[in-house]
Amino acid sequence: DGGITQSPKYLFRKEGQNVTLSCEQNLNHDAMYWYRQDPGQGLRLIYYSQIVNDFQKGDIAEGYSVSREKKESFPLTVTSAQKNPTAFYLCASSRPQEIYYGYTFGSGTRLTVV
Amino acid sequence: RKEVEQDPGPFNVPEGATVAFNCTYSNSASQSFFWYRQDCRKEPKLLMSVYSSGNEDGRFTAQLNRASQYISLLIRDSKLSDSATYLCVVNFGMDSSYKLIFGSGTRLLVRP
Repeated sequence: DGGITQSPKYLFRKEGQNVTLSCEQNLNHDAMYWYRQDPGQGLRLIYYSQIVNDFQKGDIAEGYSVSREKKESFPLTVTSAQKNPTAFYLCASSRPQEIYYGYTFGSGTRLTVV
Repeated sequence: RKEVEQDPGPFNVPEGATVAFNCTYSNSASQSFFWYRQDCRKEPKLLMSVYSSGNEDGRFTAQLNRASQYISLLIRDSKLSDSATYLCVVNFGMDSSYKLIFGSGTRLLVRP
């Protein structure tokens, strides 16, 4: 079955550490996205990528970095520069030319700073 | 003005009730519209796309009013399992049509 896999499901980070969240899809989607969701709030766009080796900043990119070396993979690194990283992180993918199908989401990674 | 605005609720209704959610969007060039459902601590899942002529899927009816830049979702005969947060979602516009903007969501609680 096609889908998006995010790992790990839960992640604990110490102050000053960088951590990388994994996102892999086998839907053959060109576009991939990273969102952050804080409790009781909506989704905020961190980074997105339409094609391999290209990505753009979203609304809250500071303190985060991404890479898109393969179509299937779009990992997100939360750096020590992100001052408040505790949140629910969601990866999504889509076919830009078929946006009327919406996005497919992974099951998310819950990141907690300890 | 927010790009996509929703009443946060919560809407607290008894089983069997009919409930309606509204959403307004700011970009008149938007072409694609959706309602997503998000359960507590889970990822959003597509509930239904919204078409210009309005569309229905079982107990759920979605309407679009382009002139007023307004989208609605009607749930008839509410079930306990309908309790969730409903997200109104709109594409960014012609230049970045692949980008979706999510509203903050409307929380629905269906009580026995």
